[in-house]
Amino acid sequence: TQLLEQSPQFLSIQEGENLTVYCNSSSVFSSLQWYRQEPGEGPVLLVTVVTGGEVKKLKRLTFQFGDARKDSSLHITAAQPGDTGLYLCAGKGAGSYQLTFGKGTKLSVIP
Amino acid sequence: NAGVTQTPKFQVLKTGQSMTLQCAQDMNHNSMYWYRQDPGMGLRLIYYSASEGTTDKGEVPNGYNVSRLNKREFSLRLESAAPSQTSVYFCASSADYGQGVDAFFGQGTRLTVV
Repeated sequence: TQLLEQSPQFLSIQEGENLTVYCNSSSVFSSLQWYRQEPGEGPVLLVTVVTGGEVKKLKRLTFQFGDARKDSSLHITAAQPGDTGLYLCAGKGAGSYQLTFGKGTKLSVIP
Repeated sequence: NAGVTQTPKFQVLKTGQSMTLQCAQDMNHNSMYWYRQDPGMGLRLIYYSASEGTTDKGEVPNGYNVSRLNKREFSLRLESAAPSQTSVYFCASSADYGQGVDAFFGQGTRLTVV
């Protein structure tokens, strides 16, 4: 079973601050995805990374896939209240149909 | 575009009752999934269907059955509901199982078993 550990579990910051959340595993993934989930809604895909060392930017969000494809990070610059939500990482092993999800990081951005 | 549609959105069952959760996608995706989400446990895969006509067990299949009715629809059945099945259930779909596949989720069904 491939496990994904996310840290921190909870994060509360002031508007305008920067933050990084982490997603780590002892397993290698062929791809890794980040989702954001708001209360009462399903997860919404933010990004997919597939190449070791890959960096993708989505406005104020920067995603990085580790060189060994075992870990990933999400960095948010100048957080805004609209960034509040549950951030989930999910990894897929080579040849697998299954996405393995981490337990998530619950982010609160205080105005 | 509707994307992934789940029905019902809320349901309360008594222990031992049965019900079917419905899921339909309009994106012509090959693969469909059922997950449950519990506090502190993250999303766990119950069953998946890689393509029309095939279904396979995921991480937590006990107490559930599924049917891939056609390419669009994938249903989840609880034959005899138990309080441990109280959860939020999400259906998802993806174009294929290849590398970097993007999954799209429905809004969820909130099920309480009393």
